[in-house]
Amino acid sequence: QSVLTQPPSVSEAPRQRVTISCSGSSSNIGNNVVNWYQQLPGKAPKLLIYYDDLLPSGVSDRFSGSKSGTSASLAISGLQSEDEAVYFCAAWDDSLNGPVFGGGTKLTVL
Amino acid sequence: EVQLVQSGAEVKKPGESLRISCYGSGYSFTGYWITWVRQMPGKGLEWMGRIDPRDSYTSYSPSFQGHVTISADKSIRTAYLQWSTLNASDTAIYYCARLRTLTGTTDIDYWGQGTLVTVSS
Repeated sequence: QSVLTQPPSVSEAPRQRVTISCSGSSSNIGNNVVNWYQQLPGKAPKLLIYYDDLLPSGVSDRFSGSKSGTSASLAISGLQSEDEAVYFCAAWDDSLNGPVFGGGTKLTVL
Repeated sequence: EVQLVQSGAEVKKPGESLRISCYGSGYSFTGYWITWVRQMPGKGLEWMGRIDPRDSYTSYSPSFQGHVTISADKSIRTAYLQWSTLNASDTAIYYCARLRTLTGTTDIDYWGQGTLVTVSS
């Protein structure tokens, strides 16, 4: 059972928009920034969104992040087949004094 | 280019010891903490602990304290995760990652590719 809660899977058609939610608590999301990572099969996770809504250099602006209270969301617009991956959220947890993670959401582009 | 390159997959028997490694390049190795994260089969990610390569100061998750040892050798830009006695429940993928701290906020910005550890008799 992961500390941060994500849906196990989402699916959507190409060129459409999908959102992935991430729910936590006051000790993590509610008081710290949220990052999102993309993990392609057999690859290392890659930073996709940091500090709730910022894009690292080189990441497509089809990806966006938002946060409200103890929940965060990742949105992907203009879906492409290459977006098929597992996406997971992370935030620092003040009680643990370390990062906590979502269980990951597998995105399928139909 | 920042890279964290981990050692290869391991197959061990229960009771055996193991040390896996994480080599950092493309950045100041002593300028960032290294952290280790476990992913058991079919499960989510769990934070294990972290180390400051400057002085090898460590901090562990209570769930892993006493069961693993995190160390680093800054002269060869390498961090380690070590077990003295493995058991089957240690079967997992282990990731090292770089912790970044900016304006008082700490997050993970780079990950290693993961090391699969299989413990089976």
